[in-house]
Amino acid sequence: DAGVTQSPTHLIKTRGQQVTLRCSPKSGHDTVSWYQQALGQGPQFIFQYYEEEERQRGNFPDRFSGHQFPNYSSELNVNALLLGDSALYLCASSLRSYNSPLHFGNGTRLTVT
Amino acid sequence: GESVGLHLPTLSVQEGDNSIINCAYSNSASDYFIWYKQESGKGPQFIIDIRSNMDKRQGQRVTVLLNKTVKHLSLQIAATQPGDSAVYFCAENKGDYKLSFGAGTTVTVRA
Repeated sequence: DAGVTQSPTHLIKTRGQQVTLRCSPKSGHDTVSWYQQALGQGPQFIFQYYEEEERQRGNFPDRFSGHQFPNYSSELNVNALLLGDSALYLCASSLRSYNSPLHFGNGTRLTVT
Repeated sequence: GESVGLHLPTLSVQEGDNSIINCAYSNSASDYFIWYKQESGKGPQFIIDIRSNMDKRQGQRVTVLLNKTVKHLSLQIAATQPGDSAVYFCAENKGDYKLSFGAGTTVTVRA
């Protein structure tokens, strides 16, 4: 049973560019959340998708957007990249149940130069 | 603001000893807590969770204790092994389907 898979594993972009990160949830999960983890910090919630709609959003600018597809997979898009966007981007999947623990992928390491 | 925090950023433990990792939270509305383990180059791995109607929950070699009176959460690891070396995060759910994480405690196991 495959867990959460993310692609690519590493990415280098230039300031001002746009990036798309991809996530496939764990089999049986219908909810996808995205987190940003800066070096030495805990993950910070970006947003959550369920039934192809954004349901919750953290304190991130609208340069960060996402999408969920009918097969529950998801994309995270970041426009007009800034140096401060360099981080590990984590995708987590769960059931749409309040006490359903999140299962994380291994993340995409984004470096903005 | 309201957030989850950890008492110590690092913990060094002798192999075979028990480890205790502490976490303080400030939001009394939080009713679901999770501990995660993150190894280098990997995403957080679910260890154990606890709901606010419980004081204690046990898993394999791990125990989570919740003290709602002082808003304190702890993770106990029995007979710590080298494979337990990692960063440990506590996270809280404040009722809105999103988790708030603390900064983490780095556990190093000495041989």
